[in-house]
Amino acid sequence: DAGVIQSPRHEVTEMGQEVTLRCKPISGHDYLFWYRQTMMRGLELLIYFNNNVPIDDSGMPEDRFSAKMPNASFSTLKIQPSEPRDSAVYFCASSFWGRPYNEQFFGPGTRLTVL
Amino acid sequence: GEDVEQSLFLSVREGDSSVINCTYTDSSSTYLYWYKQEPGAGLQLLTYIFSNMDMKQDQRLTVLLNKKDKHLSLRIADTQTGDSAIYFCAEYGTDSGYALNFGKGTSLLVTP
Repeated sequence: DAGVIQSPRHEVTEMGQEVTLRCKPISGHDYLFWYRQTMMRGLELLIYFNNNVPIDDSGMPEDRFSAKMPNASFSTLKIQPSEPRDSAVYFCASSFWGRPYNEQFFGPGTRLTVL
Repeated sequence: GEDVEQSLFLSVREGDSSVINCTYTDSSSTYLYWYKQEPGAGLQLLTYIFSNMDMKQDQRLTVLLNKKDKHLSLRIADTQTGDSAIYFCAEYGTDSGYALNFGKGTSLLVTP
């Protein structure tokens, strides 16, 4: 398996622009997570899905952030409008409930820079 | 979720042992984990321990769990320059839903 795939790997945009980050989880995994990593706040869970349904979005910073999972093999995280403080590395991870120790598999991340 | 605390930075010489410490507060934690993040990459599971265990050894890695003090440690024997990375402690418990609760990570620098 190719692992969790994220695109783009790097994104540079200007304040006010819409940004869409994409994730393809590992085939057969039924949980998908979006995280944000910054030096100041470390790794933060933004939202997670189970069988394409959002379960907990309490980590989403504000209404400018939205996430969707239209099918089992694709998810997006959208920021509209983007702000410089959104600059961070965004990770997608997936897992399979049947795995006994609940391992999460992470993608390589998208490094977002908002100017 | 509950806080998972780690020291932010550790520097050791190549060949020495490294010990990375973590404290957690969720008494319902069932699994505790160490993830490794190499530069420019995502996190990768290094090892885990079930809450009814005190110790787990896997080649150069030793995980110690003190449930009474809610303290977890990762010892890396014969540390190599390739071990330089960020190490994250994480917990999974019934209070977390299905999410893992991560610490902020400890940056390990191994010098020749």
